[in-house]
Amino acid sequence: EAGVAQSPRYKIIEKRQSVAFWCNPISGHATLYWYQQILGQGPKLLIQFQNNGVVDDSQLPKDRFSAERLKGVDSTLKIQPAKLEDSAVYLCASSQRHTYYNSPLHFGNGTRLTVT
Amino acid sequence: GENVEQHPSTLSVQEGDSAVIKCTYSDSASNYFPWYKQELGKRPQLIIDIRSNVGEKKDQRIAVTLNKTAKHFSLHITETQPEDSAVYFCAASHADNQGGKLIFGQGTELSVKP
Repeated sequence: EAGVAQSPRYKIIEKRQSVAFWCNPISGHATLYWYQQILGQGPKLLIQFQNNGVVDDSQLPKDRFSAERLKGVDSTLKIQPAKLEDSAVYLCASSQRHTYYNSPLHFGNGTRLTVT
Repeated sequence: GENVEQHPSTLSVQEGDSAVIKCTYSDSASNYFPWYKQELGKRPQLIIDIRSNVGEKKDQRIAVTLNKTAKHFSLHITETQPEDSAVYFCAASHADNQGGKLIFGQGTELSVKP
């Protein structure tokens, strides 16, 4: 099966600029996640979607981050305006069902964001 | 909320030796514990997982043990090979119909020396 697709692979922007990332999950996967992975740390969940609804966005900095999953398939994550501390790899993941019990997360290759 | 602590942060072993990585979690309701391997510049990939109704699970050279009473779980790699060199992440989740957040540990950088 095709994996989770993300683009772009790399992005360099200046602080206060805007940036958007795109994710296409594995076909048929109802649940989609965006994780932020700062260098040397484990992934941190930003937002979780079930189909096109938000399940958890408690860790999403809503003053600057936004995400949507129109039609319950593709998703975009936006940062506006970016700060230096937003430099990280943004990982998208998907799973077959809402619960984790029998549904491992499949990660995309990520987008490496550098804010200068 | 859930917190996952992982030790050690770095681990260096000789090829053929065993490697053990340990994690503790704070939420006693956690019931799903996967381990991910992440090679440099690549995506995290699931290598093994264990659920709370099982104490141990093995897959060839990899095994995971779970102690629910102590709220800790460990990854054991036997007969290590250079290709096992990577960063390993443990994670914990309370999986139910309300959903659950997969919380990751800080990672362990394993280096296997030939």
